[in-house]
Amino acid sequence: GESVGLHLPTLSVQEGDNSIINCAYSNSASDYFIWYKQESGKGPQFIIDIRSNMDKRQGQRVTVLLNKTVKHLSLQIAATQPGDSAVYFCAENKYNQGGKLIFGQGTELSVKP
Amino acid sequence: KAGVTQTPRYLIKTRGQQVTLSCSPISGHRSVSWYQQTPGQGLQFLFEYFSETQRNKGNFPGRFSGRQFSNSRSEMNVSTLELGDSALYLCASSAVGDTYEQYFGPGTRLTVT
Repeated sequence: GESVGLHLPTLSVQEGDNSIINCAYSNSASDYFIWYKQESGKGPQFIIDIRSNMDKRQGQRVTVLLNKTVKHLSLQIAATQPGDSAVYFCAENKYNQGGKLIFGQGTELSVKP
Repeated sequence: KAGVTQTPRYLIKTRGQQVTLSCSPISGHRSVSWYQQTPGQGLQFLFEYFSETQRNKGNFPGRFSGRQFSNSRSEMNVSTLELGDSALYLCASSAVGDTYEQYFGPGTRLTVT
């Protein structure tokens, strides 16, 4: 069946280091993938997305990599800051399913000062 | 531009009662999706509305229903509440452009006792 899973439930990094959050997906028919950040008491916040015809996309301090061969998605955060501490979710979408997002379980990122 | 707003933010109900949650999307956004978030199941898609029509539906019982008004505001209703319905209910809006980028509200925390 469809699923989007995360390799690690928690990740702890030192302030200033780079963070890598991983995600595995099982449905090769997905059209695009999105990373969300959720802080305590708030709704998920869109970070970056990538279409299935791309393998890399960069944003401000973030890079998403898509490896369709092994069905793997990663989010890289450069120079991690305390404000990056949150739970990160990957999600997938298929264009013929409109706004339906399938979310992974989430990885909690903790940034140590 | 104002973000997605949800009311109420917190709600306590008793088993067997019904509840209505409200969501106002970002101005100009025509798609509204609803998600249920629990510690055990994570973020799960409930349904999506676009132009007052339900476009997609997740795997939830018929007790969960929704609607969308001509101004794109949306409501979801849960009838005959069960303890397991306790969750954070999130609403997300999208302009329904090319990438279905969704913006989430802060959620309504529903507690069923």
